[in-house]
Amino acid sequence: DSGVTQTPKHLITATGQRVTLRCSPRSGDLSVYWYQQSLDQGLQFLIQYYNGEERAKGNILERFSAQQFPDLHSELNLSSLELGDSALYFCASSVEWFGTGPYGYTFGSGTRLTVV
Amino acid sequence: DAKTTQPPSMDCAEGRAANLPCNHSTISGNEYVYWYRQIHSQGPQYIIHGLKNNETNEMASLIITEDRKSSTLILPHATLRDTAVYYCIVRDHTGANSKLTFGKGITLSVRP
Repeated sequence: DSGVTQTPKHLITATGQRVTLRCSPRSGDLSVYWYQQSLDQGLQFLIQYYNGEERAKGNILERFSAQQFPDLHSELNLSSLELGDSALYFCASSVEWFGTGPYGYTFGSGTRLTVV
Repeated sequence: DAKTTQPPSMDCAEGRAANLPCNHSTISGNEYVYWYRQIHSQGPQYIIHGLKNNETNEMASLIITEDRKSSTLILPHATLRDTAVYYCIVRDHTGANSKLTFGKGITLSVRP
């Protein structure tokens, strides 16, 4: 157990639907990161939040959005789902200060999303 | 833009040392070298990181060349459970460039 909790572990949904993935960071970590891993794209950075504020954005689609709540948990919302959105979605956290530092990320075990 | 180059795969015998190479010839002075691994479909796991000095922890050793253009991750006594994809990542610690960017990694297969 890495200390980063992701729910649900598996999700099967139909095209056009909307889903929400949840992540609870490791205790004491202020930063949350979302990554997408599909077979052909590898691990792709989507977005980072630090203490409730968006810090960095990767190749996140406009159909996707995220937020970090006051208790530091984060949600990734995926809407108008397409077959190509099927992937593993990982959340990671770190204690990283706003100014960054040499800290590693701790990853959760991921949510496997299947769009049918 | 690929900042690191790793062979696609390698294998080693169980109980032997696994030496995983990584080239990062364009690394800049404030960039660290990180290693992560991902065991099939699990979340990536942090292994070790370093700036210029060699580093060792309970999992592995990291050897960085003096010019910092390459490094080697050493798993001293590989086990079957070390079979995974290993990612060598160069990471800038300043501002928005600080996020971890994963490449294709190297697939290590440990054989009995």
